[in-house]
Amino acid sequence: QKEVEQNSGPLSVPEGAIASLNCTYSDRVSQSFFWYRQYSGKSPELIMSIYSNGDKEDGRFTAQLNKASQYVSLLIRDSQPSDSATYLCAVVENRDDKIIFGKGTRLHILP
Amino acid sequence: SQTIHQWPATLVQPVGSPLSLECTVEGTSNPNLYWYRQAAGRGLQLLFYSVGIGQISSEVPQNLSASRPQDRQFILSSKKLLLSDSGFYLCAWSVRDEQFFGPGTRLTVL
Repeated sequence: QKEVEQNSGPLSVPEGAIASLNCTYSDRVSQSFFWYRQYSGKSPELIMSIYSNGDKEDGRFTAQLNKASQYVSLLIRDSQPSDSATYLCAVVENRDDKIIFGKGTRLHILP
Repeated sequence: SQTIHQWPATLVQPVGSPLSLECTVEGTSNPNLYWYRQAAGRGLQLLFYSVGIGQISSEVPQNLSASRPQDRQFILSSKKLLLSDSGFYLCAWSVRDEQFFGPGTRLTVL
């Protein structure tokens, strides 16, 4: 069964520090990888997509992908209290386009 | 730009009552559409997805059903709600492989 694993947290990070969120996936043929942010009581919001090995940067966010290790991570630089949320990792196999979500990591930025 | 609408935003229903949740997408044609449920403190559970009008695939056996009467309309229904149907219901659309979620409907079954 295809799985996406995340540490449920909570992960507590001081304001201004780097938050590092990790995700592993079971299916080697996965090609597309996503990070969603979900505030309490709200729907998930897509914040990063990554398709190739290496790093992809967007503002304070950096997604890192290592297909050989089946590992994807999200770094948040200069963490702000507004970054406190649950972060969902998601993976797609191109064969059937079903997206598999992890259960999410709760991130708490300490003021 | 694309927009996805869901209504109602919140709903409180008694056990055994029917359910109808509606989702509409604007600004895109022939999207893939999805219904998810997120129970309190749990992950996203894919309930149904549709690649076109009248084409529905069910992921989890349950007392829910889905229909897609128009290209950009997706409806989730139940004839008789159970207590276990409580949760946060999310509609999503995708073109290629990125998925975008609607605002969700919070359903409480009493």
